[in-house]
Amino acid sequence: AQSVTQPDIHITVSEGASLELRCNYSYGATPYLFWYVQSPGQGLQLLLKYFSGDTLVQGIKGFEAEFKRSQSSFNLRKPSVHWSDAAEYFCAVGKTGTASKLTFGTGTRLQVTL
Amino acid sequence: GAVVSQHPSWVICKSGTSVKIECRSLDFQATTMFWYRQFPKQSLMLMATSNEGSKATYEQGVEKDKFLINHASLTLSTLTVTSAHPEDSSFYICSARDHGTRWNEQFFGPGTRLTVL
Repeated sequence: AQSVTQPDIHITVSEGASLELRCNYSYGATPYLFWYVQSPGQGLQLLLKYFSGDTLVQGIKGFEAEFKRSQSSFNLRKPSVHWSDAAEYFCAVGKTGTASKLTFGTGTRLQVTL
Repeated sequence: GAVVSQHPSWVICKSGTSVKIECRSLDFQATTMFWYRQFPKQSLMLMATSNEGSKATYEQGVEKDKFLINHASLTLSTLTVTSAHPEDSSFYICSARDHGTRWNEQFFGPGTRLTVL
C-alpha cells in the first residue's frame, strides 16, 4: 500500500527566507507525486506534480520540488517565502499511470512571520 | 480551465436529517469524481470513487448506505449524507478527473463544511 509521510506538522519562517517542506513516500513502483496547497476553509490547489523525466519539477508561485528515488523523497522548496504563502501544504502519491487513489500526507502548516 | 464547484459551501442541519452536496465540473467532462473527508487539522481521506453511470466504489470503513453517491452525468456527482449525526460533521471535498489531455490530474472543489447539530 502506498503511504506518505510529512514529518513536519508546523513550520514557521520569516518572509523572504527560504523554505523546504519534507515529504517521504512509500510505493512499490515509480509513483506519481503531487504537492497541493490549501488555504483555510478552501479546497486544494495543485502546486506541482512529478510523473517522470526531469527530477526537478517547477510549479506555480515560485515553488519547486525534487524527486529523489534513493531517498523516497519529494521535498518542496521555495527560495524566498511571501506572507501569502502561509497555508497548509499536502504531499500526495498516486498509483503509476493514473491520478486515482491519491494518498495524502498529514500536511504541514506554514506560518510566515513578517 | 478545470474548475470544480461545490454546493453548498457550508450547511448546518439537525441530527437525523439528510444533506445533499453537489460537485460539478464546470468546463470539462469528468467521468470520474472522488469524494474526500477532512477532519479539522487533518489530512484528506478518500471516501469513494464515483464513475459516471455506475455504482461508486467505497473505501474500506465507509458506510455506503450512509454516504450515498450518485454520478448521473459527466459534470455532476452528488454526495448525500443520510440520517446525519454530529460525528458526520466535517469538511467534504470533491475532485474530478478530466479524461482528456489532463487525465493524470485531479481537480479539487472548494469543499463543503457540514455541521450537524
